[in-house]
Amino acid sequence: DAGVTQSPTHLIKTRGQQVTLRCSPKSGHDTVSWYQQALGQGPQFIFQYYEEEERQRGNFPDRFSGHQFPNYSSELNVNALLLGDSALYLCASSGTRSYYNEQFFGPGTRLTVL
Amino acid sequence: AQKITQTQPGMFVQEKEAVTLDCTYDTSDQSYGLFWYKQPSSGEMIFLIYQGSYDEQNATEGRYSLNFQKARKSANLVISASQLGDSAMYFCAMREGGSGGGADGLTFGKGTHLIIQP
Repeated sequence: DAGVTQSPTHLIKTRGQQVTLRCSPKSGHDTVSWYQQALGQGPQFIFQYYEEEERQRGNFPDRFSGHQFPNYSSELNVNALLLGDSALYLCASSGTRSYYNEQFFGPGTRLTVL
Repeated sequence: AQKITQTQPGMFVQEKEAVTLDCTYDTSDQSYGLFWYKQPSSGEMIFLIYQGSYDEQNATEGRYSLNFQKARKSANLVISASQLGDSAMYFCAMREGGSGGGADGLTFGKGTHLIIQP
């Protein structure tokens, strides 16, 4: 049973560019959440997708957008990259049928903005 | 005010000793869930244990237990008989609102870096 997968593993971009990160949820999961983890900090919630719609959003600007596909996979897009966007981006999936609704995390994509 | 506070940036513990990682939270919701995650140097967050606000008993999962003191808004993680492989970052997180019907975004603390010494 494959867990949450993310691609790419690492990414280097320059300021002003745009980036797309991808996530495939754990089998049987229908909800995908994205988090940003700056160095030395805890993850911060960006947004959550369910049934192909953004269901909840954290305190992030509109430069951060996403999408969920019919197979539940998801993309995170960041436009007009800033140096401060350098971070580990974590994708987490969950299923509405699990009692705890615990989120299972992928290995992350490390984004460096130069 | 921070919603999740972890006051121990780092801890050194001897192998086989028990260790308690502190977590206090702040919410006005009556229904909420508390989670602990482990993050090794590889970066992946590993779910350890969950405590619901209405659960009357403290959660346990193997060597992990959660010391839940609702009145003090405290949810400390206890690891018994620590092992070298327990060395990692540990994060306390909270989901506000009901636990059924869907998963909501988690609010994380800043973490505790635990190092187990032989």
